[in-house]
Amino acid sequence: NAGVMQNPRHLVRRRGQEARLRCSPMKGHSHVYWYRQLPEEGLKFMVYLQKENIIDESGMPKERFSAEFPKEGPSILRIQQVVRGDSAAYFCASSPGTGDYGYTFGSGTRLTVV
Amino acid sequence: AQRVTQPEKLLSVFKGAPVELKCNYSYSGSPELFWYVQYSRQRLQLLLRHISRESIKGFTADLNKGETSFHLKKPFAQEEDSAMYYCALSDNTDKLIFGTGTRLQVFP
Repeated sequence: NAGVMQNPRHLVRRRGQEARLRCSPMKGHSHVYWYRQLPEEGLKFMVYLQKENIIDESGMPKERFSAEFPKEGPSILRIQQVVRGDSAAYFCASSPGTGDYGYTFGSGTRLTVV
Repeated sequence: AQRVTQPEKLLSVFKGAPVELKCNYSYSGSPELFWYVQYSRQRLQLLLRHISRESIKGFTADLNKGETSFHLKKPFAQEEDSAMYYCALSDNTDKLIFGTGTRLQVFP
């Protein structure tokens, strides 16, 4: 079991480009969570998804950010027209289901906007 | 608003010394609290949760509702305990609210 796989590990984008971050949950996990960690800050919740459904996106910025978890394939966090302030570490976690907080985290994607 | 506060960014101790990593929370309901650990070059992983009242790697944490605290303790620190430690709170939805983390350095 490879655990939660995130790619790429590092991503560099110029201002105005799009960033796509991928997360493959652990085998058997149907719940995916995205967190963002800005420098000197804790992990901040962004969005919680199940297959083909967004359950809670209360932590997502209203513009430029979107997330999906299709029936087939990894979950994608998409950031359009990136700005310097989007530079951060983005972590994905998965769990088997509601009520189990035994999240398994991925290694994260470090996004740098230049 | 729900909030988790870890007042210390860095805690340095010598091997064999007692360790206490502080965590205070703000939540109006009945919280579930967790400690996560991130060793160097590894991913974040669950260390323990208050509901299970267990001891993992010699660490314990007791939920004190009166003081709204969930401090992580270990009587004798080991060098391999050096890591980032994050306290987290669940508001009984499926998301966790994290503190800013405390880096524990254990010197030989």
